[in-house]
Amino acid sequence: AQSVTQLDSQVPVFEEAPVELRCNYSSSVSVYLFWYVQYPNQGLQLLLKYLSGSTLVESINGFEAEFNKSQTSFHLRKPSVHISDTAEYFCAELSGGSYIPTFGRGTSLIVHP
Amino acid sequence: DSGVTQTPKHLITATGQRVTLRCSPRSGDLSVYWYQQSLDQGLQFLIQYYNGEERAKGNILERFSAQQFPDLHSELNLSSLELGDSALYFCASSAGGQSNYGYTFGSGTRLTVV
Repeated sequence: AQSVTQLDSQVPVFEEAPVELRCNYSSSVSVYLFWYVQYPNQGLQLLLKYLSGSTLVESINGFEAEFNKSQTSFHLRKPSVHISDTAEYFCAELSGGSYIPTFGRGTSLIVHP
Repeated sequence: DSGVTQTPKHLITATGQRVTLRCSPRSGDLSVYWYQQSLDQGLQFLIQYYNGEERAKGNILERFSAQQFPDLHSELNLSSLELGDSALYFCASSAGGQSNYGYTFGSGTRLTVV
């Protein structure tokens, strides 16, 4: 069965500092990986996804994630965060012929001025 | 606006009652997924419909049911409500039967059972 572990429930950081949100997945076969962002009082929005090819994927707002098969990780990074990045971030895995991705419990990113 | 419409946005009801949540998928999407989000359980998959047919089932209680209509909108029916059913209920949609390319989520219905 798929399982996704987001190692940090909360990550506080100061504005303009770098941040890394950690995600480990479980599948040993081909896998699709996703990061979603949920702003307060909103639904989840797809931030970026890894389907195949380059192991480094980027979003339009400066986030990037790297697929690391040997460490079964898909950590999300941003070199300089803004107050507006304050949100809940969810990592998700889809693998093994399943139709339905498994979501992690989420990491709350809190950006302080 | 994601293109996925959920109504109502908020719902307050008493224990033992029945409610219906509605979802209209993004134009052109054939699949609808229902999720429950709560602080203690996180994001839990309930059920998927694809082009009117049930495609996958998750942790959906027997008191809950759903359907997808010919115009592709979907309804989630929750009955014999308990305090523990208080949560955010999200609908998501995707073009095909699988979510390889990710979902589009609606903004959710916040259900409070008192």
